[in-house]
Amino acid sequence: SQELEQSPQSLIVQEGKNLTINCTSSKTLYGLYWYKQKYGEGLIFLMMLQKGGEEKSHEKITAKLDEKKQQSSLHITASQPSHAGIYLCGADGSPHAGNMLTFGGGTRLMVKP
Amino acid sequence: DAGVIQSPRHEVTEMGQEVTLRCKPISGHNSLFWYRQTMMRGLELLIYFNNNVPIDDSGMPEDRFSAKMPNASFSTLKIQPSEPRDSAVYFCASSPRGGYNSPLHFGNGTRLTVT
Repeated sequence: SQELEQSPQSLIVQEGKNLTINCTSSKTLYGLYWYKQKYGEGLIFLMMLQKGGEEKSHEKITAKLDEKKQQSSLHITASQPSHAGIYLCGADGSPHAGNMLTFGGGTRLMVKP
Repeated sequence: DAGVIQSPRHEVTEMGQEVTLRCKPISGHNSLFWYRQTMMRGLELLIYFNNNVPIDDSGMPEDRFSAKMPNASFSTLKIQPSEPRDSAVYFCASSPRGGYNSPLHFGNGTRLTVT
């Protein structure tokens, strides 16, 4: 089965600083998803990456997919307290319909004002 | 769009009791997933339905766990009898196609505590 390793497991940054979270897969990545979770709430979908080299941005968050390295990164520019939470990556188990999403262990982000 | 609705939000029960968690997926979504989240094991997929049919239940811990989807707008996850190690947050998610390149939409979860 596919395993996703996230690093770092936790991160504390000063407001305004940039940060990067990584997600590495044990198998080929067919589709990679980034989610954000706040304590006591469900996961909120951020972005989906489908092709090697693809890069997507939403406000100050940018995600990239390196298919060869079987890795994705999530970069936050000029972090704000509102960015705090748990970031999880998820991946499609196969390039076919009917597959199941596997998730990494999450990265807990704290932003100090 | 009301999103995925789960009930109850919190459940506290004693060991040995039956627990039923409920989920209403987003209208029009044909796939539904049950996940369990704990600090130790992270987010684990328990079971996945497509068009109300269970496709893969290999993640269900043991026979004490069962899930049903009697129609497109309702699913239940039942634990009988419950044990303290079942304490976790249980999430339901739905997706439009349930397949490749199809993001999941999560509910806010049910926090289960078994004493």
